[in-house]
Amino acid sequence: DVKVTQSSRYLVKRTGEKVFLECVQDMDHENMFWYRQDPGLGLRLIYFSYDVKMKEKGDIPEGYSVSREKKERFSLILESASTNQTSMYLCASNNPGQGIYEQYFGPGTRLTVT
Amino acid sequence: AQKVTQAQTEISVVEKEDVTLDCVYETRDTTYYLFWYKQPPSGELVFLIRRNSFDEQNEISGRYSWNFQKSTSSFNFTITASQVVDSAVYFCALSEARPGNTPLVFGKGTRLSVIA
Repeated sequence: DVKVTQSSRYLVKRTGEKVFLECVQDMDHENMFWYRQDPGLGLRLIYFSYDVKMKEKGDIPEGYSVSREKKERFSLILESASTNQTSMYLCASNNPGQGIYEQYFGPGTRLTVT
Repeated sequence: AQKVTQAQTEISVVEKEDVTLDCVYETRDTTYYLFWYKQPPSGELVFLIRRNSFDEQNEISGRYSWNFQKSTSSFNFTITASQVVDSAVYFCALSEARPGNTPLVFGKGTRLSVIA
């Protein structure tokens, strides 16, 4: 089974803090993705990575950065957290090169910024 | 640009009723993939099915069935004899069919409530 894990299920941070959300996948997938999910807006892509040290902006990258130093790990960084970044954050991975076009998701991190 | 529309925001049915979740998509690609995901109250998105654009055969898996029609750009999902455990948010999604960078474009989801 594909396993995608995220470092925290729930996180509470203060405005201005630097926040790290970690994601690890164990299936040697090439691609990894970060989404945020908000009521009424569905899932929106923040960043994705198709290889180690490679990244591309998604639809809403402002206020976020990412890091992929190892193939299995993809980190989302909020440089200075703001209240409008309170959301559910979902990590996913897939491997189109091996015919795995569907994305497999982690359990999500519900982040609250106060 | 690719787009997925799930016009039904919320649906409520009584247990054992059949229910169909609609999905309409837009794409300029000639080859693409369509997906359905389930998000139960626990929050994790669970992959249900992937269909290729060149394969319009309907698919059935237990109580679940999917109807793909390229002529109407639709990929509808039917649950037969619904159960309370089917209560969840269901997402339809679309991606290009090529190796490499393949972000999914999601619809906004349909919340299904099955009442006992």
